[in-house]
Amino acid sequence: DAGVTQSPTHLIKTRGQQVTLRCSPISGHKSVSWYQQVLGQGPQFIFQYYEKEERGRGNFPDRFSARQFPNYSSELNVNALLLGDSALYLCASSWESGGRTEAFFGQGTRLTVV
Amino acid sequence: AQTVTQSQPEMSVQEAETVTLSCTYDTSENNYYLFWYKQPPSRQMILVIRQEAYKQQNATENRFSVNFQKAAKSFSLKISDSQLGDTAMYFCAFMKYGGSQGNLIFGKGTKLSVKP
Repeated sequence: DAGVTQSPTHLIKTRGQQVTLRCSPISGHKSVSWYQQVLGQGPQFIFQYYEKEERGRGNFPDRFSARQFPNYSSELNVNALLLGDSALYLCASSWESGGRTEAFFGQGTRLTVV
Repeated sequence: AQTVTQSQPEMSVQEAETVTLSCTYDTSENNYYLFWYKQPPSRQMILVIRQEAYKQQNATENRFSVNFQKAAKSFSLKISDSQLGDTAMYFCAFMKYGGSQGNLIFGKGTKLSVKP
């Protein structure tokens, strides 16, 4: 069975640009969460979506937005990129939203802003 | 707000020996989950072990076990018979129990090196 897949694996953007990251959850999983992991730190929660509705938002500026599609895949958008947005962006999927089932992570998208 | 603290940025252990990674957390919640995740150089977070706060019995998974001290808000991970493949970053994480939101709060991690 395919795990959580994220695309692209790496990308380089210029300050001020916009970026879209994509995540396909494990088949049957309805919850998708996004995390930002800056080098040398633990992941920080950005968003959670369940059944296409936002269930949680971390302490990130409005430049960050996300959505979930009817097939439960998800996109994370970041506008007006800053150097500080350079990080590994992780997507996690789970069958439900409340933590009673395991969250499975993808391999992440490494974003470099220059 | 909940916080998770890992006070050991780096640790090393000889192959086949035992190592313990420390984690403390702060919360006013009574029911919650605690996790240890492993992140090898491949970057993918892998769940190592999970503990539900209402369960007094410490969780075990093969060579991995935890020492959960709820009153002290401590959640350490013991790795027995360490193997070279255990070399990775290890993150302790917290999640509130129930509700509609299930986001993880991570510590800063401990880099574990297993030496042959």
